[in-house]
Amino acid sequence: GQSLEQPSEVTAVEGAIVQINCTYQTSGFYGLSWYQQHDGGAPTFLSYNGLDGLEETGRFSSFLSRSDSYGYLLLQELQMKDSASYFCAVTYDYKLSFGAGTTVTVRA
Amino acid sequence: EAGVAQSPRYKIIEKRQSVAFWCNPISGHATLYWYQQILGQGPKLLIQFQNNGVVDDSQLPKDRFSAERLKGVDSTLKIQPAKLEDSAVYLCASSSTSGRGGSTDTQYFGPGTRLTVL
Repeated sequence: GQSLEQPSEVTAVEGAIVQINCTYQTSGFYGLSWYQQHDGGAPTFLSYNGLDGLEETGRFSSFLSRSDSYGYLLLQELQMKDSASYFCAVTYDYKLSFGAGTTVTVRA
Repeated sequence: EAGVAQSPRYKIIEKRQSVAFWCNPISGHATLYWYQQILGQGPKLLIQFQNNGVVDDSQLPKDRFSAERLKGVDSTLKIQPAKLEDSAVYLCASSSTSGRGGSTDTQYFGPGTRLTVL
């Protein structure tokens, strides 16, 4: 089976940097994705790591270490609109399995 | 391009009743997914279609849930009869391929149907 662990909640102030860690156990691992979901909204794709290393997309970066079964999402220059749930998800056997999500709350 | 469409957005039913959800994926997307998201949890895959064939339905409770994608485009998910524990948001997603990662395999989600079973 698949298991993913990520923190349940993170709170930070505007302008700060937040790192959301994700550890996973899965067979047939192919890559790690990150999705953002605002309250009552649909999950939206943020980033994908298929290889070890850092991927940067604007204020968001994602990292993967396949040997450590570990990844993280880095949110920089936090804005109020970044308050949402963030899910890591492993790709395996042509499917996605999601973690339970991390609720990020940004305070003024 | 138009996104994934779902209807209805909200549904309230009594336990033991039946309910159906509809999804229209992004035009040209071969792969369609149905997920169940219980409050406070991540989405859980129920069924995955590639065109009109089922790729994976291992987590679909087949005694009460059914899904079809007859012409390889839109899809219907049905619950019959519903139980209290089926209260959740049902998300539909689509992707252009079912390959193993990369930008073409990004899943695009619809707004979901929030089901409440009383």
